[in-house]
Amino acid sequence: QVQLQESGPGLVKPSQTLSLTCTVSGGSISSSSYYWNWIRQPAGKGLEWIGRIYTNGNTNFNPSLKSRVIISEDTSKNQFSLKLTSVTAADTAVYYCARYDSNVGCFDPWGQGTLVTVSS
Amino acid sequence: DIQMTQSQSSLSASVGDRVTITCRASQTVLKFLNWYQQKPGKAPNLLIYAASTLQSGVPSRFSGSGSGTDFTLTISSLQPDDFATYYCQQSYSLPLTFGGGTKVEI
Repeated sequence: QVQLQESGPGLVKPSQTLSLTCTVSGGSISSSSYYWNWIRQPAGKGLEWIGRIYTNGNTNFNPSLKSRVIISEDTSKNQFSLKLTSVTAADTAVYYCARYDSNVGCFDPWGQGTLVTVSS
Repeated sequence: DIQMTQSQSSLSASVGDRVTITCRASQTVLKFLNWYQQKPGKAPNLLIYAASTLQSGVPSRFSGSGSGTDFTLTISSLQPDDFATYYCQQSYSLPLTFGGGTKVEI
């Protein structure tokens, strides 16, 4: 059973870079049928897709964040990572990593989520 | 971007009620529409994919229907565990987008 777990600092200063890692267990991020995604949710609000990476390193991003997002993978550690640059208070949210099954087109499973607060 | 609209931000219901949640896409998504359940402090959980296919392990009281731009999630007999927020999500085109959510309250 595939499980995902986010990790990283819970507090980031304005203008700095948010960095998170998602560790995948029970399956390989090199599997050809899956994309590996980042999704965020501000407190009390809805879900926003940030972007994804495929096993060959190809990435796709939400245009609203594209200029500030980097998603990378480390297949040796079975991890993928998110960097969001020049953060502001508007980037405060719970950040989730999730697997996207390209055969059926849905997010499953998800990590438990990690709260990142942007504040000085 | 395809905008996903859940017209009901919240609804009140009782145990045993039949509940219908709607989702509308700003353009066709064919049947590339998924439903998720989210409880407070937890990650979303996949209920239905491809508009009407029940995810393994999800109770049969949940069902989905629709195609094109209009979709429905139905809970045939609401149970105490079903009080949560429900999101639709389209996987027809990038960027992948979610509806604003419908909170089912007592």
